[in-house]
Amino acid sequence: DTGVSQNPRHKITKRGQNVTFRCDPISEHNRLYWYRQTLGQGPEFLTYFQNEAQLEKSRLLSDRFSAERPKGSFSTLEIQRTEQGDSAMYLCASSITGAHTDTQYFGPGTRLTVL
Amino acid sequence: AQTVTQSQPEMSVQEAETVTLSCTYDTSENNYYLFWYKQPPSRQMILVIRQEAYKQQNATENRFSVNFQKAAKSFSLKISDSQLGDTAMYFCAFGEEYGNKLVFGAGTILRVKS
Repeated sequence: DTGVSQNPRHKITKRGQNVTFRCDPISEHNRLYWYRQTLGQGPEFLTYFQNEAQLEKSRLLSDRFSAERPKGSFSTLEIQRTEQGDSAMYLCASSITGAHTDTQYFGPGTRLTVL
Repeated sequence: AQTVTQSQPEMSVQEAETVTLSCTYDTSENNYYLFWYKQPPSRQMILVIRQEAYKQQNATENRFSVNFQKAAKSFSLKISDSQLGDTAMYFCAFGEEYGNKLVFGAGTILRVKS
C-alpha cells in the first residue's frame, strides 16, 4: 500500500494556459475524490468518482474544470484557461466502499500558482 | 447543507500537556460520521480519529480522544501528552452516512512548544 500519489507536486502557469493534474489512488480503492484548498482554509469538495463514473460535481467546478477516471484507476483534473483565482492546493483522496461511509485517505496535493 | 465550525483559529500548548480543540457542526441527519484530520506544515493530510454518530462511546486512538456530544452537535479533540510532532493544522470534518463528500471546518493551527 503506497498511499495516494499526486503529480506534479507544484505547477506554476500563466493566466490563460491549460493545466492537468494526475492522481493515483490507493490500490483497489474504488472511490476517488478531488478537493480544492486555499491558504488557511479547509478543503472544499469538487467532484468524486466511483470506479469510472463521475457521480457528483460541486457547483465550484466551473465549465473550465473537467475530471476523468477512464479506467477506474488513476484520475486527471484539467483546468482550461486558468485564472489567478484558480491558485490553490488541489487534493485527491481515495476510499473503498464499505457498509457505511468510507474513510478518505489524502494525497500530498498539487499546488497550483497562476501568474 | 451541513456546516462545520472550528472557533479556535490558533492554539498553543506546552510539550507533555493536554489540549482540547473544539468543533461544532450543523446537520439534520441522525446517522453520520465525524473525523479529525491533521495537516503538518507542507505535508499531507492524515486521519487522526473517526467517530460514528450511532456509537455512544467516544473514540480513542492512543493519545487522541474525542468528546462527542450528539445533542449539542459538538465534537472536540483532546490531545494528551502533547509532542512537538503534533504541531499542525487540525481539521474537523463531517461525512454523511452513505455519503460521499466531506465537509471541513476552517481548521485550527496547533503549536506545541518545548
